[in-house]
Amino acid sequence: QVQLQESGPGLVKPLETLSLTCTVSGGSVSSFYWSWIRQPPGKGLEWIGYIYHTGNTDYNPSLKTRVTISIDTSKNQFSLRLRSVTAADSAVYYCARVPMGPDDGFDIWGQGTMVTVSS
Amino acid sequence: QSVLTQPPSVSGAPGQRVTISCTGGSSNIEAGYDVHWYQKLPGTAPKLLIYGNNIRPSGVPDRFSGSKSATSASLAITGLQAEDEADYYCQSYDSRLSGYVVFGGGTKLTVL
Repeated sequence: QVQLQESGPGLVKPLETLSLTCTVSGGSVSSFYWSWIRQPPGKGLEWIGYIYHTGNTDYNPSLKTRVTISIDTSKNQFSLRLRSVTAADSAVYYCARVPMGPDDGFDIWGQGTMVTVSS
Repeated sequence: QSVLTQPPSVSGAPGQRVTISCTGGSSNIEAGYDVHWYQKLPGTAPKLLIYGNNIRPSGVPDRFSGSKSATSASLAITGLQAEDEADYYCQSYDSRLSGYVVFGGGTKLTVL
């Protein structure tokens, strides 16, 4: 049974870089697409971007200039970096699997991790 | 403002049927991209309810069903139960720019 687990700091200072890692267990990152999604408090879901196991990526146009998603097949992990964060980036961040193409649904999710941007 | 439009809230009594609509545009739903639906309970990760417009993953009760027309999609819940009270989100793909995933703004279902 494939499981995803997010990890990283829960508090990030304004203008610094948010860094999160998603560890995949029970399966391999060397297949499928892998994605990051977030939900700010009291708001809806927002797609951040995805990475294919080959390293191909695509990002939400509204975040594209600040986001990098990378993959480490040796550690069975993929990661998110979001630069120059502000309070508006405070959210629960989820990692998720996309089993087919980039327009498919997210079938497996991590439990989510809350990240607060504050000095 | 979300690319996909959902009603902010719907409600129904136990045992009733409710539907939640998801309306997009010419670059997403109307372009033929699939719609997927999620159930979001407070403090938990979203759960995939429907994928590919009308396919239920294993374990999802058949009280949940999805449909899609040329211009919109809908999630129907029959035999409403108290445990169905949650937020529901639709998701699709938009072909503008280099293509990206889009969500609806979410619908709060209240079981009366």
